[in-house]
Amino acid sequence: GQNIDQPTEMTATEGAIVQINCTYQTSGFNGLFWYQQHAGEAPTFLSYNVLDGLEEKGRFSSFLSRSKGYSYLLLKELQMKDSASYLCAVMDSNYQLIWGAGTKLIIKP
Amino acid sequence: GAVVSQHPSWVICKSGTSVKIECRSLDFQATTMFWYRQFPKQSLMLMATSNEGSKATYEQGVEKDKFLINHASLTLSTLTVTSAHPEDSSFYICSARVLQAAHPYEQYFGPGTRLTVT
Repeated sequence: GQNIDQPTEMTATEGAIVQINCTYQTSGFNGLFWYQQHAGEAPTFLSYNVLDGLEEKGRFSSFLSRSKGYSYLLLKELQMKDSASYLCAVMDSNYQLIWGAGTKLIIKP
Repeated sequence: GAVVSQHPSWVICKSGTSVKIECRSLDFQATTMFWYRQFPKQSLMLMATSNEGSKATYEQGVEKDKFLINHASLTLSTLTVTSAHPEDSSFYICSARVLQAAHPYEQYFGPGTRLTVT
């Protein structure tokens, strides 16, 4: 079967750095997405990785290792507004998104 | 960027009635739209894929006669929850695939519709 694993919840301090991991087992791979979802709102796109390596975009970076079936989202200089759920999603061989359950990130002052 | 709207943003209905949710792509044409359902503290669950001008493709376990999807134009898809029951109460989100997006097969999400069936 297809499976996406990510921690259920993480806590970090304002101004610090946090890394949210995602491991996956899917039938085929056509890229990995990270989305941010605030409570009661729809997900918004953060990043897309299809090749191995690190993609940096401002305070957010996303890393992919296809051989290990592993990705992480790195958030730097954390702000209170970063409190949200972070969803990892993999596009399989049928170009269908397989979603993880999401990681709820709690930022403390 | 691509904007997807949903209407209504929230709705309360009585058990046994039907509810229609609209999903519109405002500044682009969406040949493919997706309907998701999300229960509290759970991830998105794909219900169906809607292609303009053809029948929707439903995921396993989703009743096509209960969740009617119509994608009559390139900018509008509708989801009708028929004979709603309390267990249908959920957050329903639509998304559209934008082929011209910076990243292939990226999906833009609508703001979601909170359905409560009493």
